[in-house]
Amino acid sequence: SAVISQKPSRDICQRGTSLTIQCQVDSQVTMMFWYRQQPGQSLTLIATANQGSEATYESGFVIDKFPISRPNLTFSTLTVSNMSPEDSSIYLCSVDIANADTQYFGPGTRLTVL
Amino acid sequence: GIQVEQSPPDLILQEGANSTLRCNFSDSVNNLQWFHQNPWGQLINLFYIPSGTKQNGRLSATTVATERYSLLYISSSQTTDSGVYFCAVDKMDSSYKLIFGSGTRLLVRP
Repeated sequence: SAVISQKPSRDICQRGTSLTIQCQVDSQVTMMFWYRQQPGQSLTLIATANQGSEATYESGFVIDKFPISRPNLTFSTLTVSNMSPEDSSIYLCSVDIANADTQYFGPGTRLTVL
Repeated sequence: GIQVEQSPPDLILQEGANSTLRCNFSDSVNNLQWFHQNPWGQLINLFYIPSGTKQNGRLSATTVATERYSLLYISSSQTTDSGVYFCAVDKMDSSYKLIFGSGTRLLVRP
């Protein structure tokens, strides 16, 4: 398994500002992902965070709104830019452990935008 | 794309009762996982089960890959079982991207 931490655990932000969420894993992993869970909804994949190259975004998500960094195999950040109340969600990072075929999720960042 | 449907959407049980949650998926998959999201939002891995049957305490799961469905059984339910249960699959494209069902919201009453 993997131990995954996220910072911050929650935040309340003003409209128009940006927030950067950090994800730290206790071991080197190849695959890291960012998901969004809107209130009362299921999880939706935002992007795959690729080490050493640009993230791969899913349909409906763009780099200008959700820039992602992956400087090494244990760390990634997701920025939610120019926030609006519609961005209020839980943001979760996950990792896929090589040869384990199982994804593990961080505790999530609960974001409220006023 | 692949569709993942879960049923029932909501379930209320009395403590001690048993239940079965279902997950249907529309295409062949590499990976199927069951998660429990507790009231604090934490996603907890329950099973990795692309096929076959597994048991872990009061929980067990069965996936029939040829018929594209999976079942999660909860026996002797407890109030701590409350939360949302998600089924998630990934396509057979080596991307490891998980596609989540809409979840089953379970409330176990004392």
